[in-house]
This record gives sequence, C-alpha cells and structure tokens, in this order.
Amino acid sequence: AQSVTQLGSHVSVSEGALVLLRCNYSSSVPPYLFWYVQYPNQGLQLLLKYTTGATLVKGINGFEAEFKKSETSFHLTKPSAHMSDAAEYFCAVSANAGGTSYGKLTFGQGTILTVHP
Amino acid sequence: NAGVTQTPKFRVLKTGQSMTLLCAQDMNHEYMYWYRQDPGMGLRLIHYSVGEGTTAKGEVPDGYNVSRLKKQNFLLGLESAAPSQTSVYFCASSYVGTVGYTFGSGTRLTVV
Repeated sequence: AQSVTQLGSHVSVSEGALVLLRCNYSSSVPPYLFWYVQYPNQGLQLLLKYTTGATLVKGINGFEAEFKKSETSFHLTKPSAHMSDAAEYFCAVSANAGGTSYGKLTFGQGTILTVHP
Repeated sequence: NAGVTQTPKFRVLKTGQSMTLLCAQDMNHEYMYWYRQDPGMGLRLIHYSVGEGTTAKGEVPDGYNVSRLKKQNFLLGLESAAPSQTSVYFCASSYVGTVGYTFGSGTRLTVV
C-alpha cells in the first residue's frame, strides 16, 4: 500500500523567492513519484515524475524535485517564484510493482501556493 | 486530438436523484480511472478499469457504480445521490506499462 503526506496545506512566498513544497511518501515497493499542478477550475497537469534512474528530476515551468529514498521524500522546488505559479500542487505515488498496481495513483492532500508581488 | 473528455462539466442534483457521468478517451488507453476531489483531501480513487468489460473498486467506491462496455468509455453512476457526493469528479486514463495519467477537465457535481 502507498500513502502520501504533503506538509503544509498552504504555502505563501514572495515573487522571486524560492518555492519549496514538501512531500513524503510511504510505499512497500519501489515507488513512482509525481507532482501535478492544478490551476483554478481546471484539471490536473503533470509537472514532473520520477520512475527510475537520476534522482533529480526536472519538470516544466522551471520546477524540479529530488527523490531521496533514505528520507522517503520527493520535495518540489523552484528557485524563483512567479505570479503565474499560484496554484494547487499535488504529490502522488504509484507502485513500481511490475504492472500489478495497474498504474493506480495515490494523491496527497494538496498544497495551495500563493505568490505575493 | 481530444484526449480525455468528461460530460457534463457541471450538474446540480436533488438528493435521491440518479445520474451518469461519462468519460471518453480517444488514445486507445487500456486503463481508466474515476477520482473525486474534495478540499483538503486530495484526489481519492473511486473505481478503475484495466480493460473493456472489467471494473474494480478503489478507495471510496460506496454509492457509485461503473461500467466499461467499450474500451474508450468509462461511465460513473450515482443511483441515489447524497449531499456527501458533492464533489469534483475527474476521469483519467493511461496505457498499460506507462507511468502517469491523462486527466479530463472534471465534472463539478452539487447534490442539494
């Protein structure tokens, strides 16, 4: 079974400041890890994903995340926030279990990012 | 190149009414999923399907039924709607062996 905990339901930063959104996961098998973004009244868009290989993953819009197995974490960062980054962000986990998980994703509770001018 | 299409986009139901949400994908994906999104709870899996004619329960299946008679369509039914089913419903699909979904744009359902 998998679970995801996002630390902080709301994060507020100033434009140009570092964005750090925290995600910790629990998984009984090697995980696949994801970050999705949701803008108001829209669906979810994939920002980035970790499957295997390099633990530092780069995504769209300047975001990146690092898979740290020892810390069971997959925190999302962006060096300089932009007003357009204001949205809700979801971390998700899927089991890397040879297909028996049927690709099911388990989502965290979400973190709303506010960017102040 | 529609991707995943959900209909309707908005609906208001009275308690006890029934309705069906339709999800259609044109990418020949084998897997399809229905999630509900509630504030502070993220997305929770209701039901999923790994192929035409097959369905399975997810995390929160009670009060919902699903069918997948055609590979491209995944229907979510509410037989007797309750206010607790007020939510935003998302459909998603994926290929076998791939990682990650394509999401629809959602259906906002209010039960009064």
